[in-house]
Amino acid sequence: QSVLTQPPSVSGAPGQRVTISCTGSPSNTGAGYDVHWYQQLPGKAPKLLIFAISHRPSGVPDRFSGSKSGTSASLAITGLQADDEADYYCQSYDNSLSGYVFGSGTTLTVL
Amino acid sequence: EVQLVQSGATLKKPGQSLKISCSGSGYEFESHWIAWVRQMPGKGLEWMGIVYPEDSDSRLSPSFQGQVSFSADKSIRTVYLQWHTLRTSDSAIYYCARLLGAGVQDYGAPFDIWGPGTVVTVSS
Repeated sequence: QSVLTQPPSVSGAPGQRVTISCTGSPSNTGAGYDVHWYQQLPGKAPKLLIFAISHRPSGVPDRFSGSKSGTSASLAITGLQADDEADYYCQSYDNSLSGYVFGSGTTLTVL
Repeated sequence: EVQLVQSGATLKKPGQSLKISCSGSGYEFESHWIAWVRQMPGKGLEWMGIVYPEDSDSRLSPSFQGQVSFSADKSIRTVYLQWHTLRTSDSAIYYCARLLGAGVQDYGAPFDIWGPGTVVTVSS
Protein backbone atom coordinates (compact mmCIF):
# COMPACT_ATOMS: atom_id res chain seq x y z
CA GLN A 1 0.00 0.00 0.00
CA SER A 2 1.75 3.16 -1.22
CA VAL A 3 1.63 6.24 0.98
CA LEU A 4 1.49 8.43 -2.13
CA THR A 5 -1.71 7.84 -4.10
CA GLN A 6 -1.85 8.10 -7.88
CA PRO A 7 -4.63 7.17 -10.32
CA PRO A 8 -3.93 3.71 -11.76
CA SER A 9 -4.30 4.90 -15.32
CA VAL A 10 -4.83 7.94 -17.52
CA SER A 11 -5.20 8.23 -21.25
CA GLY A 12 -5.29 10.82 -23.99
CA ALA A 13 -5.13 11.23 -27.71
CA PRO A 14 -1.99 12.42 -29.49
CA GLY A 15 -1.54 16.15 -29.06
CA GLN A 16 -3.77 16.35 -26.00
CA ARG A 17 -2.89 17.29 -22.42
CA VAL A 18 -3.10 14.93 -19.47
CA THR A 19 -2.39 15.35 -15.79
CA ILE A 20 -1.40 12.81 -13.16
CA SER A 21 -2.04 13.53 -9.51
CA CYS A 22 -0.03 12.42 -6.50
CA THR A 23 -1.72 12.76 -3.13
CA GLY A 24 0.25 12.46 0.07
CA SER A 25 -0.12 13.44 3.71
CA PRO A 26 1.30 15.77 6.34
CA SER A 27 4.21 13.40 6.95
CA ASN A 28 5.49 13.48 3.38
CA THR A 29 4.34 15.90 0.69
CA GLY A 30 2.73 18.09 3.34
CA ALA A 31 5.89 18.25 5.42
CA GLY A 32 7.81 20.34 2.91
CA TYR A 33 9.77 17.52 1.27
CA ASP A 34 10.22 17.92 -2.45
CA VAL A 35 8.21 15.79 -4.89
CA HIS A 36 9.90 14.18 -7.87
CA TRP A 37 8.54 12.34 -10.88
CA TYR A 38 9.95 9.37 -12.79
CA GLN A 39 9.07 7.91 -16.17
CA GLN A 40 9.42 4.18 -16.68
CA LEU A 41 9.16 3.09 -20.30
CA PRO A 42 8.14 -0.55 -20.88
CA GLY A 43 10.96 -2.90 -19.95
CA LYS A 44 13.27 -0.08 -18.89
CA ALA A 45 14.63 1.38 -15.67
CA PRO A 46 12.93 4.47 -14.24
CA LYS A 47 14.25 7.84 -15.37
CA LEU A 48 14.09 11.12 -13.46
CA LEU A 49 11.56 13.32 -15.25
CA ILE A 50 10.83 16.21 -12.87
CA PHE A 51 12.66 17.06 -9.63
CA ALA A 52 11.86 19.44 -6.81
CA ILE A 53 8.23 19.76 -7.88
CA SER A 54 8.75 21.55 -11.18
CA HIS A 55 12.35 21.34 -12.42
CA ARG A 56 13.32 19.39 -15.53
CA PRO A 57 16.67 17.62 -15.85
CA SER A 58 18.64 18.40 -18.97
CA GLY A 59 17.11 16.72 -21.99
CA VAL A 60 13.53 16.48 -20.70
CA PRO A 61 11.16 18.32 -23.05
CA ASP A 62 9.18 21.26 -21.71
CA ARG A 63 6.02 19.34 -22.58
CA PHE A 64 6.47 17.87 -19.10
CA SER A 65 5.77 20.09 -16.12
CA GLY A 66 5.08 19.71 -12.42
CA SER A 67 3.24 21.59 -9.72
CA LYS A 68 2.21 21.19 -6.10
CA SER A 69 -0.48 22.50 -3.82
CA GLY A 70 -0.78 21.45 -0.22
CA THR A 71 -0.30 17.71 0.08
CA SER A 72 -0.89 17.03 -3.61
CA ALA A 73 1.43 17.27 -6.59
CA SER A 74 0.67 16.98 -10.28
CA LEU A 75 2.51 16.07 -13.44
CA ALA A 76 1.21 17.56 -16.68
CA ILE A 77 2.09 16.34 -20.13
CA THR A 78 1.11 18.44 -23.12
CA GLY A 79 1.28 17.59 -26.80
CA LEU A 80 0.97 13.86 -26.06
CA GLN A 81 3.11 11.60 -28.21
CA ALA A 82 3.00 7.84 -28.70
CA ASP A 83 6.36 7.39 -27.00
CA ASP A 84 5.02 9.03 -23.83
CA GLU A 85 3.28 5.73 -23.13
CA ALA A 86 4.88 4.63 -19.88
CA ASP A 87 4.38 4.27 -16.16
CA TYR A 88 4.83 7.43 -14.11
CA TYR A 89 5.74 7.53 -10.43
CA CYS A 90 5.92 10.35 -7.92
CA GLN A 91 8.37 10.17 -5.02
CA SER A 92 9.05 12.04 -1.80
CA TYR A 93 10.31 11.45 1.75
CA ASP A 94 8.16 10.46 4.71
CA ASN A 95 9.28 11.52 8.17
CA SER A 96 7.00 9.11 10.03
CA LEU A 97 8.40 6.16 8.08
CA SER A 98 11.90 7.66 8.06
CA GLY A 99 12.32 6.72 4.45
CA TYR A 100 11.76 7.60 0.83
CA VAL A 101 8.38 6.73 -0.63
CA PHE A 102 7.06 6.20 -4.14
CA GLY A 103 3.61 6.70 -5.47
CA SER A 104 1.48 3.78 -6.56
CA GLY A 105 2.24 4.51 -10.20
CA THR A 106 0.11 5.61 -13.16
CA THR A 107 0.03 3.98 -16.56
CA LEU A 108 -0.35 6.47 -19.40
CA THR A 109 -1.99 5.21 -22.58
CA VAL A 110 -1.85 7.29 -25.74
CA LEU A 111 -5.00 6.45 -27.69
CA GLU B 1 29.44 9.48 -18.49
CA VAL B 2 27.83 9.04 -15.10
CA GLN B 3 26.36 5.58 -14.87
CA LEU B 4 25.48 2.67 -12.63
CA VAL B 5 26.07 -0.87 -13.80
CA GLN B 6 24.41 -3.84 -12.12
CA SER B 7 25.17 -7.54 -12.01
CA GLY B 8 23.34 -9.87 -14.33
CA ALA B 9 20.10 -11.79 -13.98
CA THR B 10 20.17 -14.71 -11.62
CA LEU B 11 18.09 -17.81 -10.86
CA LYS B 12 18.19 -19.20 -7.33
CA LYS B 13 16.33 -21.74 -5.24
CA PRO B 14 14.41 -20.91 -2.06
CA GLY B 15 16.68 -20.97 0.96
CA GLN B 16 19.80 -20.02 -0.99
CA SER B 17 21.82 -16.87 -0.42
CA LEU B 18 22.49 -14.14 -2.96
CA LYS B 19 24.54 -10.97 -3.30
CA ILE B 20 23.96 -8.61 -6.23
CA SER B 21 26.08 -5.61 -7.09
CA CYS B 22 25.89 -2.07 -8.37
CA SER B 23 29.01 -0.26 -9.61
CA GLY B 24 29.29 3.42 -10.35
CA SER B 25 31.49 5.37 -12.72
CA GLY B 26 31.94 8.92 -13.95
CA TYR B 27 31.53 10.61 -10.56
CA GLU B 28 32.83 10.63 -6.98
CA PHE B 29 31.24 7.29 -6.08
CA GLU B 30 32.01 7.20 -2.37
CA SER B 31 30.28 10.52 -1.69
CA HIS B 32 26.82 9.75 -3.04
CA TRP B 33 24.18 7.67 -1.30
CA ILE B 34 22.91 4.71 -3.32
CA ALA B 35 19.37 3.40 -2.87
CA TRP B 36 17.98 -0.01 -3.65
CA VAL B 37 14.49 -0.20 -5.16
CA ARG B 38 12.40 -3.33 -5.69
CA GLN B 39 9.88 -3.83 -8.46
CA MET B 40 7.90 -7.04 -8.21
CA PRO B 41 6.38 -8.44 -11.43
CA GLY B 42 3.73 -6.07 -12.73
CA LYS B 43 3.97 -3.86 -9.64
CA GLY B 44 5.27 -0.47 -8.62
CA LEU B 45 8.51 0.80 -7.14
CA GLU B 46 9.36 0.13 -3.49
CA TRP B 47 12.23 1.84 -1.67
CA MET B 48 14.22 -0.81 0.21
CA GLY B 49 16.88 1.35 1.79
CA ILE B 50 19.99 3.37 1.16
CA VAL B 51 23.74 2.97 1.69
CA TYR B 52 26.64 5.42 1.82
CA PRO B 53 29.67 3.93 0.02
CA GLU B 54 32.22 5.97 2.00
CA ASP B 55 31.53 4.15 5.27
CA SER B 56 28.76 1.62 4.46
CA ASP B 57 26.31 3.53 6.68
CA SER B 58 22.91 2.21 5.72
CA ARG B 59 19.21 2.75 6.44
CA LEU B 60 16.64 0.07 5.69
CA SER B 61 12.95 0.48 5.15
CA PRO B 62 11.01 -1.19 7.97
CA SER B 63 9.43 -3.39 5.30
CA PHE B 64 12.80 -4.94 4.53
CA GLN B 65 14.54 -4.99 7.91
CA GLY B 66 15.77 -8.44 8.76
CA GLN B 67 15.25 -9.58 5.17
CA VAL B 68 18.22 -8.02 3.38
CA SER B 69 21.47 -6.25 4.12
CA PHE B 70 23.60 -3.67 2.34
CA SER B 71 27.35 -3.32 2.07
CA ALA B 72 29.87 -1.34 0.08
CA ASP B 73 33.45 -1.57 -1.16
CA LYS B 74 34.50 1.91 -2.15
CA SER B 75 37.86 0.65 -3.44
CA ILE B 76 36.03 -0.96 -6.36
CA ARG B 77 33.20 1.58 -6.46
CA THR B 78 30.56 -1.04 -5.71
CA VAL B 79 27.62 -1.49 -3.38
CA TYR B 80 25.86 -4.75 -2.66
CA LEU B 81 22.41 -6.03 -1.76
CA GLN B 82 22.45 -9.37 0.02
CA TRP B 83 19.98 -12.03 1.08
CA HIS B 84 20.92 -14.87 3.42
CA THR B 85 17.75 -16.89 2.82
CA LEU B 86 15.83 -16.28 -0.38
CA ARG B 87 12.10 -16.83 -0.72
CA THR B 88 10.02 -17.13 -3.87
CA SER B 89 8.48 -13.77 -2.99
CA ASP B 90 11.90 -12.16 -3.49
CA SER B 91 11.53 -12.65 -7.25
CA ALA B 92 11.66 -9.15 -8.68
CA ILE B 93 13.76 -6.59 -10.50
CA TYR B 94 16.13 -4.75 -8.19
CA TYR B 95 17.36 -1.31 -9.17
CA CYS B 96 20.10 0.75 -7.62
CA ALA B 97 19.74 4.51 -7.90
CA ARG B 98 21.99 7.43 -6.96
CA LEU B 99 20.71 10.10 -4.60
CA LEU B 100 21.44 13.51 -6.07
CA GLY B 101 23.93 15.50 -4.04
CA ALA B 102 27.14 14.54 -2.32
CA GLY B 103 27.72 14.06 1.39
CA VAL B 104 24.98 14.38 3.99
CA GLN B 105 21.80 12.48 3.10
CA ASP B 106 19.32 14.94 1.64
CA TYR B 107 15.78 13.79 2.37
CA GLY B 108 14.45 16.09 -0.33
CA ALA B 109 16.75 14.93 -3.11
CA PRO B 110 15.68 12.82 -6.09
CA PHE B 111 17.29 9.68 -7.47
CA ASP B 112 18.96 11.06 -10.55
CA ILE B 113 20.88 8.09 -11.98
CA TRP B 114 19.45 4.56 -12.15
CA GLY B 115 21.05 1.24 -12.93
CA PRO B 116 19.46 -1.04 -15.54
CA GLY B 117 18.17 -3.41 -12.89
CA THR B 118 18.96 -6.99 -11.87
CA VAL B 119 16.31 -9.64 -12.41
CA VAL B 120 16.21 -12.08 -9.51
CA THR B 121 14.17 -15.22 -9.92
CA VAL B 122 13.68 -17.54 -6.97
CA SER B 123 12.08 -20.84 -7.88
CA SER B 124 12.37 -24.44 -6.89
